[in-house]
Amino acid sequence: AQSVTQLGSHVSVSEGALVLLRCNYSSSVPPYLFWYVQYPNQGLQLLLKYTSAATLVKGINGFEAEFKKSETSFHLTKPSAHMSDAAEYFCAVSENSGNTPLVFGKGTRLSVIA
Amino acid sequence: GAGVSQSPSNKVTEKGKDVELRCDPISGHTALYWYRQSLGQGLEFLIYFQGNSAPDKSGLPSDRFSAERTGGSVSTLTIQRTQQEDSAVYLCASSPTRINSPLHFGNGTRLTVT
Repeated sequence: AQSVTQLGSHVSVSEGALVLLRCNYSSSVPPYLFWYVQYPNQGLQLLLKYTSAATLVKGINGFEAEFKKSETSFHLTKPSAHMSDAAEYFCAVSENSGNTPLVFGKGTRLSVIA
Repeated sequence: GAGVSQSPSNKVTEKGKDVELRCDPISGHTALYWYRQSLGQGLEFLIYFQGNSAPDKSGLPSDRFSAERTGGSVSTLTIQRTQQEDSAVYLCASSPTRINSPLHFGNGTRLTVT
C-alpha cells in the first residue's frame, strides 16, 4: 500500500526566505502525487498535482514541486515566503492503477515570521 | 456552483451516544471520500465510494463506524457508541472520477465527545 512521510510537523521561515516542505512517498506502482493546503479556518484546497507528465509541477501562489523518482520525493518549494503562506500543507499519494484511495501525510504547519 | 456541504458543522455528544454526519457532494461527482482529521495525525482515510462499486472500507477504525451513500449522492457517516477518542474533524470530499482528479473538500464536522 502507498504511504507518505512529511518530514517536519512545523516549519518556520522568515518573510522573503525560501520555503521547502519535504515529502517522501512509498508506492508499488507509479504514483499520482498531490499537495493540498489548508489555510486557517478554511477547508483543504489543491495546491498542485503530479500525474506523470512534467516532473516539475507549478501550482498556485508561486509554489512548485519536483517529482524525483530516484529519491521517491515530491518536495514543495517557493522562492520567497509571504505572510499569507502561513497554513498547513499536506502531501498525498495515490496509485495510478486507480485501485487505491488517496493517502495523506500528517501535514506540515508553515509559519512565516515578519 | 455549490461545493461539498457537510452538516452539522459542529456536534457535541455524550460518550456512548450514536451520531450521524452528513455529506452532500458536488452534483455529478461519482467519487466520495470520508477522512478524519485529528491534531498531529493529518488526514486519516476512512472510507471511499466510487459510483455503484462496493465501497473501500479499509480505513474504518472499528466496527462502530459505518457509512452509506444513497442514490450515488448523499452520504452519511455513522459512529455508534461514541468514545472520547472519536473527537476529531470529519471531512468529506468528492471528485468527478477516481484517477488523479483533485478532491473537493467540505468544511468538515467537528465532533466533540464528552
